[in-house]
Amino acid sequence: NAGVTQTPKFQVLKTGQSMTLQCAQDMNHEYMSWYRQDPGMGLRLIHYSVGAGITDQGEVPNGYNVSRSTTEDFPLRLLSAAPSQTSVYFCASSSQGAVNTEAFFGQGTRLTVV
Amino acid sequence: GENVEQHPSTLSVQEGDSAVIKCTYSDSASNYFPWYKQELGKGPQLIIDIRSNVGEKKDQRIAVTLNKTAKHFSLHITETQPEDSAVYFCAASPNTGNQFYFGTGTSLTVIP
Repeated sequence: NAGVTQTPKFQVLKTGQSMTLQCAQDMNHEYMSWYRQDPGMGLRLIHYSVGAGITDQGEVPNGYNVSRSTTEDFPLRLLSAAPSQTSVYFCASSSQGAVNTEAFFGQGTRLTVV
Repeated sequence: GENVEQHPSTLSVQEGDSAVIKCTYSDSASNYFPWYKQELGKGPQLIIDIRSNVGEKKDQRIAVTLNKTAKHFSLHITETQPEDSAVYFCAASPNTGNQFYFGTGTSLTVIP
């Protein structure tokens, strides 16, 4: 059982370039989300999805797009990378239930924008 | 939206001593409070959680307490070991879709 898989693990972009961070989970979880982690700021929610075809904005959505065409995949797109998007990005998934449940995190993608 | 504050940001303890990390939250709608441990180069992993209808929960050397009235919750680690060294995050979640709001993290160092 792979859990939550993120690719790539490391990426360097030039300002203005675009790229997609991939996230896949094999636990049939309805909920998926993207966080960014910056020093001294914890993890901040970028976008989340409660199921295929449904996405919504989190705390810091500007500069990022997401889509959820399948239950398994939740890619994060940077349309025009900026140095302020240098961060470690984590994807998480959790199952839907009557109450909140544990979120499982991927290993992270370290992105540097120069 | 929810605001979670976490203290201290760094904590050093001698092996065998106890460690306590405290968090406060602002949104009374939050009802689920997980604690995550993050080791270097890895994603956060759940170590213990508590729901708003429970005041305390314990799992071996780890315990969490919740005071709903004061809107604060704490992580207690007893008999600390070097492998407890990591960054710990608290989080709060309202029952509206498994969104999590994280504290800023505590870097715990256990000195052998």
